[in-house]
Amino acid sequence: RKEVEQDPGPFNVPEGATVAFNCTYSNSASQSFFWYRQDCRKEPKLLMSVYSSGNEDGRFTAQLNRASQYISLLIRDSKLSDSATYLCVLEPRGATNKLIFGTGTLLAVQP
Amino acid sequence: EPEVTQTPSHQVTQMGQEVILRCVPISNHLYFYWYRQILGQKVEFLVSFYNNEISEKSEIFDDQFSVERPDGSNFTLKIRSTKLEDSAMYFCASSLGVLNTEAFFGQGTRLTVV
Repeated sequence: RKEVEQDPGPFNVPEGATVAFNCTYSNSASQSFFWYRQDCRKEPKLLMSVYSSGNEDGRFTAQLNRASQYISLLIRDSKLSDSATYLCVLEPRGATNKLIFGTGTLLAVQP
Repeated sequence: EPEVTQTPSHQVTQMGQEVILRCVPISNHLYFYWYRQILGQKVEFLVSFYNNEISEKSEIFDDQFSVERPDGSNFTLKIRSTKLEDSAMYFCASSLGVLNTEAFFGQGTRLTVV
């Protein structure tokens, strides 16, 4: 089983739509979780950390379910500028900030 | 806004040659990293570096690879005897600390081995 699994997509949605991405991970000892965004041929950029209590940043909501080893990202009111690859990322327990990346989910927001 | 800078942006090298990829991390950061991304694949951890020594490395980071912080500002990745399969985007990153601390990535160096 892969350490981090994501649906590669693409997710093609109209502007204004709500879209949700899911991610599962295999190592129950994973400590920290993040969503990164990567534009085509660019570097990954942190979108948000993911906490067990769930957290929201504007149009973005992230959830973590440790029991099911499942992470989600919800994007409301999609904008054209949201088009990118969304990377589910975890930091294993005890690691020195080594990040484990999923393959990413491609989102294309259509006008 | 502080940023991680990498040079060159694109490097083409012949198989068997040595390359050095350069990075200037954010100035007050203490932890430095190299990641790579083969075209169409996921970002993969190579190595982390703290207090002038390697703190962790992946299976990918074998004897062909080495890292150095020669002058207190630059952080370099040396790849000896390059192979075709070393062609990838190499990202440098830095962070202030560990444990849920944001890692800032440079824009990457695209290495093409021909």
